[in-house]
Amino acid sequence: QKEVEQDPGPLSVPEGAIVSLNCTYSNSAFQYFMWYRQYSRKGPELLMYTYSSGNKEDGRFTAQVDKSSKYISLFIRDSQPSDSATYLCAMSATHQGGKLIFGQGTELSVKP
Amino acid sequence: EAGVTQSPTHLIKTRGQQATLRCSPISGHTSVYWYQQALGLGLQFLLWYDEGEERNRGNFPPRFSGRQFPNYSSELNVNALELEDSALYLCASSLVMGNQPQHFGDGTRLSIL
Repeated sequence: QKEVEQDPGPLSVPEGAIVSLNCTYSNSAFQYFMWYRQYSRKGPELLMYTYSSGNKEDGRFTAQVDKSSKYISLFIRDSQPSDSATYLCAMSATHQGGKLIFGQGTELSVKP
Repeated sequence: EAGVTQSPTHLIKTRGQQATLRCSPISGHTSVYWYQQALGLGLQFLLWYDEGEERNRGNFPPRFSGRQFPNYSSELNVNALELEDSALYLCASSLVMGNQPQHFGDGTRLSIL
């Protein structure tokens, strides 16, 4: 079993839709949770960074962490064609020596 | 502010050769991380350097090595290249150490023929 599970998609939605992306994990020591966006032929771009449980909002993006269920989500409101990319969840523990554990990534396509 | 820069963009080698990949972190960042993104395997942690010292390494053979220079830039060296080393190698940097958010460069695409 992988430490972090993420549905690879692909996920296709119409422009303006609300997108929900999710990851589950098995390691209860994870405390830091991140979402990255990766365009083709580019490196991952940090979208959201959260510590422990709770919600965090930044513009059209909302990150949720539920440590009791070992489940994290990223919501994208009013999705745009420019949001078409691969979304990667990542997480780490306090004493994990800087190591991020990534999900496989979900490929998102937003159609005009 | 300049982001993480990596060079070269693309590197083509043959089996058995050696490859050197370079990374310059964001100004003020002292920690540098290396990851491998191979097709179908996702991003895998390779190495973490901070203040010139190797702080942690992932589950990769010793032929993957690196170093960090006094200006905090870093090199990743891969010896005795194998076909399965073909991947995108990503460098990230962060403030100080540990669990600060990591910011990535655009990577070096290493192709082994």
